[in-house]
Amino acid sequence: EIVMTQSPATLSVSPGERATLSCRASESVRSNLAWYQQKFGQAPRLLIYGASTRATGISARFSGSGSGTEFTLTISSLQSEDFAVYYCQQYYKWPPRMSSFGQGTKLVIK
Amino acid sequence: EVQLVESGGGLVQPGGSLRLSCAASGFTFIGYGMDWVRQAPGKGLEWVSYIGKSSSPIYYADSVKGRFTISRDNAKNSLYLQMNSLRAEDTAVYYCARELSGTYDLWGQGTLVTVSS
Repeated sequence: EIVMTQSPATLSVSPGERATLSCRASESVRSNLAWYQQKFGQAPRLLIYGASTRATGISARFSGSGSGTEFTLTISSLQSEDFAVYYCQQYYKWPPRMSSFGQGTKLVIK
Repeated sequence: EVQLVESGGGLVQPGGSLRLSCAASGFTFIGYGMDWVRQAPGKGLEWVSYIGKSSSPIYYADSVKGRFTISRDNAKNSLYLQMNSLRAEDTAVYYCARELSGTYDLWGQGTLVTVSS
């Protein structure tokens, strides 16, 4: 079973600055990695798939990188609406018997 | 408008049953595999079940296998989750999600299931 680990659990960043979120897979998932944003009380929203491809309508301030076991989501010039919880998800080994999502990184205003 | 709308959540006693529904609109429902994903209060996302475009294949997470049954009615553009033998740990917001090559590109707003006596 592939385990996804996100770090840090909470990230404090000032508006206008850059945020860097990490996701590590317990074994290679190649580029089969997605990122989601979830604001309080809302459903998740797909941001990135294929490790680096932005989903439809997603701002260019969001970028993804990495392959294999190490992945990064970078949000440049943070806006107030970007403060949320971010989840990574592997879809290389599917269906998963257990969750394919990381535990999430909460991005808070500094 | 392209959307998914869940319904059927509520309060149920341990050991009880509940049936969730998800109504799809604005897209060709039969063209997509569909999933249920849940989120316990204050916790992360957990995949629950998948159903293929024509009701095959079907997969379940180990945590719900043998207790939950996923189904769909393509004529009604609807997805269902029959939940039996419910436990306290099944308490969560249940989302239906449209699957696109392993990712979830469209989510409903969720329906809350609370299992408590």
